[in-house]
Parts: sequence; structure tokens; C-alpha cells
Amino acid sequence: DTGVSQDPRHKITKRGQNVTFRCDPISEHNRLYWYRQTLGQGPEFLTYFQNEAQLEKSRLLSNRFSAERPKGSFSTLEIQRTEQGDSAMYLCASSLGNIQYFGAGTRLSVL
Amino acid sequence: AQSVTQLGSHVSVSEGALVLLRCNYSSSVPPYLFWYVQYPNQGLQLLLKYTSAATLVKGINGFEAEFKKSETSFHLTKPSAHMSDAAEYFCAVSEGNQGGKLIFGQGTELSVKP
Repeated sequence: DTGVSQDPRHKITKRGQNVTFRCDPISEHNRLYWYRQTLGQGPEFLTYFQNEAQLEKSRLLSNRFSAERPKGSFSTLEIQRTEQGDSAMYLCASSLGNIQYFGAGTRLSVL
Repeated sequence: AQSVTQLGSHVSVSEGALVLLRCNYSSSVPPYLFWYVQYPNQGLQLLLKYTSAATLVKGINGFEAEFKKSETSFHLTKPSAHMSDAAEYFCAVSEGNQGGKLIFGQGTELSVKP
């Protein structure tokens, strides 16, 4: 068990560029979650998958955001045409039951 | 809809003193409740969870929390603070055994003075 892995840890981009983050869950976990955390706030739910099916999306997830989990393994979160307001820590978590295990996050800075 | 309120965005205690971090929740269904800790530039680590069994829950590092339905509270305590407890603490609620999203409070930053 290597834990939840996120890549990259840090991403700096210019406004208007597209970025993609990757999350590798704990291997036997069937559920995978994405959250966004801004400075001084708690994590906010974005979306979650059970296996390869995306079961819920937050209204926070604008049409510039898309997430996939092909084959129910790793997941990617893409942000198109980034805006300065997208600057945040993007956290991934996975679970088999009720406990969600979090990765270290990807910190995005949009200049 | 579910929500979590953490009273006090910052709590400061002396080493060896009691730690009390407050959490109140709102839920239309029997909730599952969690406390997570976050150290700088790291992800969240589970401290403890309430999942409708015993109302007094013991977690890691000497922390415990008590579920009080009548008060809709799930406060986190530790009898004696240690310098290594300095971190950000988050209370979260989920809709029972659905395996769905967590709703987090805004967090409480705990400082421990020597």
C-alpha cells in the first residue's frame, strides 16, 4: 500500500493555459474523489467516481473542468483556459468503505 | 443539505493543556462524522471517525471526540497538548453509509506554546 499519489505536486501556469493533474488511488479502492482547497478554507468537493463511473459533480465544477477515470484506476482532472481564481490545492482521495484517504495534493498557481 | 461549522478559526494552548476544538453539524440523515488533521503542504490524515456505533470515539495521537445528537456536536479533545499537535484540523460530515462526498468545516488552526 503506497497511499494515494498525486502528480505533479506543484504546477505554475499562465492564465488561459490548460492543465492536467493525475491521481493514483490506493490499488484496491473503488471510489475516487477530487476536492479543491483554497487558503484558509476546508476542502470543497468537486466530483467522485465509483470505478469508472462519475457519480456526482459539484456545481462548483464549471464546464472548464473535466475529470476522467478510465478503467476505474487512475484519474485525471483537466482545467481548460485557466483563470486566476483556479489557483488552489487540488486534493484527491480514495476509499473502499467510509474512510477517505487523501493524497498530498497538487498546488496550482495561475499567473 | 449537510453542513459543518467549526467554532474558532484559531486556537492556542500551552503545552500540556487541554485541547478542545469545536464542531457542530447539520444533517437531514444520520451522519457519519470525521476529524482530519493537515500539516503544512501535506494531505489530510484521518484522526477519528463516528459511524453510528459508540458515541465516544478514540483516535490516533491521544485524540477523542464525542457525538452528541441532541447538541448536533462532535467536539475534538485531547487531555494534554504536545508541540507536535500544532496543525490545521478539519471536521467533516458525510451522508452515512453511502460512500459519498465529505462536507468539511473551514478548519481550526491549533497552535501549541511551549
